[in-house]
Amino acid sequence: AQKITQTQPGMFVQEKEAVTLDCTYDTSDPSYGLFWYKQPSSGEMIFLIYQGSYDQQNATEGRYSLNFQKARKSANLVISASQLGDSAMYFCAMREGMNTGFQKLVFGTGTRLLVSP
Amino acid sequence: GAVVSQHPSRVICKSGTSVKIECRSLDFQATTMFWYRQFPKQSLMLMATSNEGSKATYEQGVEKDKFLINHASLTLSTLTVTSAHPEDSSFYICSASEGQGTKRYFGAGTRLSVL
Repeated sequence: AQKITQTQPGMFVQEKEAVTLDCTYDTSDPSYGLFWYKQPSSGEMIFLIYQGSYDQQNATEGRYSLNFQKARKSANLVISASQLGDSAMYFCAMREGMNTGFQKLVFGTGTRLLVSP
Repeated sequence: GAVVSQHPSRVICKSGTSVKIECRSLDFQATTMFWYRQFPKQSLMLMATSNEGSKATYEQGVEKDKFLINHASLTLSTLTVTSAHPEDSSFYICSASEGQGTKRYFGAGTRLSVL
């Protein structure tokens, strides 16, 4: 079974609007972390936001927020007030066993976001 | 913030040659480094995990003799693609973590083209 599922291969949004990128995950480990990364055409992976499985509140980082619904095993990324520079690939990733030395990060297939003027 | 430097950013080589890619953590000690491979328009696939001073742990299906990983110090890991062939052409990205922290830092990637 896929550990991380991103069902939206591509998303379009107009500048200044908000957009939600979907991510669902599958794990039986009670201790895990969820990450979102942005990958522009240059290829570098840019860390956006992190949510721990035990975190009580949804994570926020500037214009990025994570809609964490633990029972549904979803961790959607919300980008508010989209900018042209937000156009990129976005990857959701999960790390299991956060309290152990296990550090493998598994990525979803990504969503390509295109922001139009 | 922490920076991971990856070199070269792009390499073109002839079939049969070996290519070495370096990944350096510039302002922190990377106890663990990860090597990923990404095909065009696809996700990052973990190839191997390396801890300083020990042998790398390879993911299923990744040839150890083909992709040699050395993590000789806390700031440097290298990936050597031995006897490269056109099917090895891909985007290779390294990642590093400091201790067991949640932050994971990525290099800018290396685009390998084997002719």
